[in-house]
Amino acid sequence: DQQVKQNSPSLSVQEGRISILNCDYTNSMFDYFLWYKKYPAEGPTFLISISSIKDKNEDGRFTVFLNKSAKHLSLHIVPSQPGDSAVYFCAATLGNMEYGNKLVFGAGTILRVKS
Amino acid sequence: GAVVSQHPSRVICKSGTSVKIECRSLDFQATTMFWYRQFPKKSLMLMATSNEGSKATYEQGVEKDKFLINHASLTLSTLTVTSAHPEDSSFYICSARLPWDKTNYGYTFGSGTRLTVV
Repeated sequence: DQQVKQNSPSLSVQEGRISILNCDYTNSMFDYFLWYKKYPAEGPTFLISISSIKDKNEDGRFTVFLNKSAKHLSLHIVPSQPGDSAVYFCAATLGNMEYGNKLVFGAGTILRVKS
Repeated sequence: GAVVSQHPSRVICKSGTSVKIECRSLDFQATTMFWYRQFPKKSLMLMATSNEGSKATYEQGVEKDKFLINHASLTLSTLTVTSAHPEDSSFYICSARLPWDKTNYGYTFGSGTRLTVV
């Protein structure tokens, strides 16, 4: 059962425009969500996160929106830059000691920013 | 800060041999580390959670006798793929929780190990 889904395997955007990456989840108990960026043959690097008690978190060019009722979150990158081209993973977890703070990852979306 | 060093970055081994992958936290003590496996164009799949000084907790479907995890110190966790077969070829990534992160959700990742079994 895939609890975190990224239904778009890839996205292509023109430099300077907005990139919107989407993520859906099924477990309503998740209370924290994270976005990671990953280059080939490297480990993921943290981008931005959001708690379930918020609906928006912004950090520079990156904004994450959370719609709890729809179990949906999105990452907005604006303006997009060629260096943003990478695989973006959405991850979720819940703050439960029994759960062990494990991250559940989506399948990732390949973002290509064209110059 | 918060660097996790994973070694080796790439390894090729013969079928039937064992391979050890190391994950070290360089500037902090990692009581909890996670081991992931990534198949091509697939998500990162959690294999196991390793806690310093105790047995690792494996996810359903992961063979604990095949993927041996040792977390003997606060700065080192190892994953040994025993009797490797071509289907074990994959990208393995370790991750450590950041003990000072106030959200309790801070993680840092190693750079990964590309294992190829021939």
